[in-house]
Amino acid sequence: GNSVTQMEGPVTLSEEAFLTINCTYTATGYPSLFWYVQYPGEGLQLLLKATKADDKGSNKGFEATYRKETTSFHLEKGSVQVSDSAVYFCALRGSRNQFYFGTGTSLTVIP
Amino acid sequence: GAVVSQHPSWVICKSGTSVKIECRSLDFQATTMFWYRQFPKQSLMLMATSNEGSKATYEQGVEKDKFLINHASLTLSTLTVTSAHPEDSSFYICSATGQGATDTQYFGPGTRLTVL
Repeated sequence: GNSVTQMEGPVTLSEEAFLTINCTYTATGYPSLFWYVQYPGEGLQLLLKATKADDKGSNKGFEATYRKETTSFHLEKGSVQVSDSAVYFCALRGSRNQFYFGTGTSLTVIP
Repeated sequence: GAVVSQHPSWVICKSGTSVKIECRSLDFQATTMFWYRQFPKQSLMLMATSNEGSKATYEQGVEKDKFLINHASLTLSTLTVTSAHPEDSSFYICSATGQGATDTQYFGPGTRLTVL
């Protein structure tokens, strides 16, 4: 079946530090992969996505590369800001367009 | 971007009563809506998928008679928790996909249900 395993948090970083949040998946076929972000008090928002192997999704300085060989979609950002503090969810889209989410990783960036 | 709203944002009810949660797409037509349940510090778990005008498809283990889903229009889906019990207390989140954009889901802010 489909599942997503995500690095557990919480993660606390200083401003301008490098961020990596690991995500691996199990799926039949080659699903589309997503990172969603949830800011305090708000709903989930799409951060970036990749639809096939070796695709790189990017947005707001965040990047993730679809790695078929390692079934991974790790999220990275070279220099985090306080405004990046949020909960990040890795997800894959199944054959019926349903989404499977990881457990979420809470990120706190301190000045 | 596309906006999805939920109402109410939080609700407290007595055990045995029924609660209805609304999910609306405000600026687009939602051909498909999804309902999720999220426990503290856990992932979102898909409960059901609903397409406008047809019966919802429930995930394995979700009681369809307890969690009634109606998707009567392209902008509104409702989840009714019938005969609620304390174990139904959770955070319920809906999402929607629009015509021609089925690979992106837009999420509502969620509804916190507490059953006493």
